[in-house]
Amino acid sequence: EPEVTQTPSHQVTQMGQEVILRCVPISNHLYFYWYRQILGQKVEFLVSFYNNEISEKSEIFDDQFSVERPDGSNFTLKIRSTKLEDSAMYFCASVTGGYTGELFFGEGSRLTVL
Amino acid sequence: SQKIEQNSEALNIQEGKTATLTCNYTNYSPAYLQWYRQDPGRGPVFLLLIRENEKEKRKERLKVTFDTTLKQSLFHITASQPADSATYLCALDTGFQKLVFGTGTRLLVSP
Repeated sequence: EPEVTQTPSHQVTQMGQEVILRCVPISNHLYFYWYRQILGQKVEFLVSFYNNEISEKSEIFDDQFSVERPDGSNFTLKIRSTKLEDSAMYFCASVTGGYTGELFFGEGSRLTVL
Repeated sequence: SQKIEQNSEALNIQEGKTATLTCNYTNYSPAYLQWYRQDPGRGPVFLLLIRENEKEKRKERLKVTFDTTLKQSLFHITASQPADSATYLCALDTGFQKLVFGTGTRLLVSP
């Protein structure tokens, strides 16, 4: 069964460092998302991406965050200058297109900022 | 802003019984409501979607109801098994899978 893959599974970084989280969505999917989950809290929407541009972003997704689909297969989330409060599990998700409902989530990248 | 409430306490039931989880929401009228399963340290897995004009949806041992007047969805697992132990997340679709999740309810099924 096709799946969304994410790397790294766990990254530890120092505050102020740049981090790039990578995702390979399911190949025929057209809409891509990043969600995050701080330990013990809700899963929160960060950003949606379609046709090589951001469709929508949340208040969390400030200027420190950016997304990119550099090569037609990878979908990346960059945090320019990490803060302690960026520590969370980051989930990539994708969906085929239009409205099908079912979001396919990856297993997540755990980011720990020290 | 939208508020979604799920039972914050864990639900403990015995194997074979029906588990019923509740999701209540305010300040929103979603066209769709979704339920996901999340195991510790893993990503959410889609279970069921129900539309605002549907009262009930079933999939194998799972059943979801959606009452837009009460602003409530109920999620049932019949003939529960220990393997059903997980956290179950309710999510409102605010448009093109921009989901607003509840905090989830942890279900523990004892043998």
